[in-house]
Amino acid sequence: GQNIDQPTEMTATEGAIVQINCTYQTSGFNGLFWYQQHAGEAPTFLSYNVLDGLEEKGRFSSFLSRSKGYSYLLLKELQMKDSASYLCAVMDSNYQLIWGAGTKLIIKP
Amino acid sequence: IAGITQAPTSQILAAGRRMTLRCTQDMRHNAMYWYRQDLGLGLRLIHYSNTAGTTGKGEVPDGYSVSRANTDDFPLTLASAVPSQTSVYFCASSEGTSAYNEQFFGPGTRLTVL
Repeated sequence: GQNIDQPTEMTATEGAIVQINCTYQTSGFNGLFWYQQHAGEAPTFLSYNVLDGLEEKGRFSSFLSRSKGYSYLLLKELQMKDSASYLCAVMDSNYQLIWGAGTKLIIKP
Repeated sequence: IAGITQAPTSQILAAGRRMTLRCTQDMRHNAMYWYRQDLGLGLRLIHYSNTAGTTGKGEVPDGYSVSRANTDDFPLTLASAVPSQTSVYFCASSEGTSAYNEQFFGPGTRLTVL
């Protein structure tokens, strides 16, 4: 079966760095997405990785290792507004997104 | 420019009633999707449409139907609602269906079936 695993909840301190991990087992692979979802709102796109390595976009970076079925989202210089759920999703061989349950990130002052 | 709109924002529905959730996008995207989001679970695909006039079944299609008469609209119908369909429903769209196609989400409809 297809499976996306990520931690349920993480806590970090304002100004610090946090890494949210995602492991996956899917039928085929056409890229991995990270989305941010604030409570009560819609998911919004953060990043896309299809090749191994690190993609950096401002305070956010995303890493992919296809051989290990592993990705992480790195958030630097954490701000209170980064408190949200972070969703990992893999595009399978049918170009459908398979979603993880999300990691709720709590930022403390 | 609104992007994707959904209606209603929320709804309480008696079991057995028929309900249509509306979704409209103004980005001229070819592909559209309906997901449900339940606590502790990832977004699950209900139905999708790769282009106007075509639809397909996702992971959890039972009890739901869709139509795609034109590019902009993608309504989701619950023929006879049951309590297990209580959920938050998100409509999404993407320009195409190839590998790199970011999906844009509507604000969601919170549905409670009693």
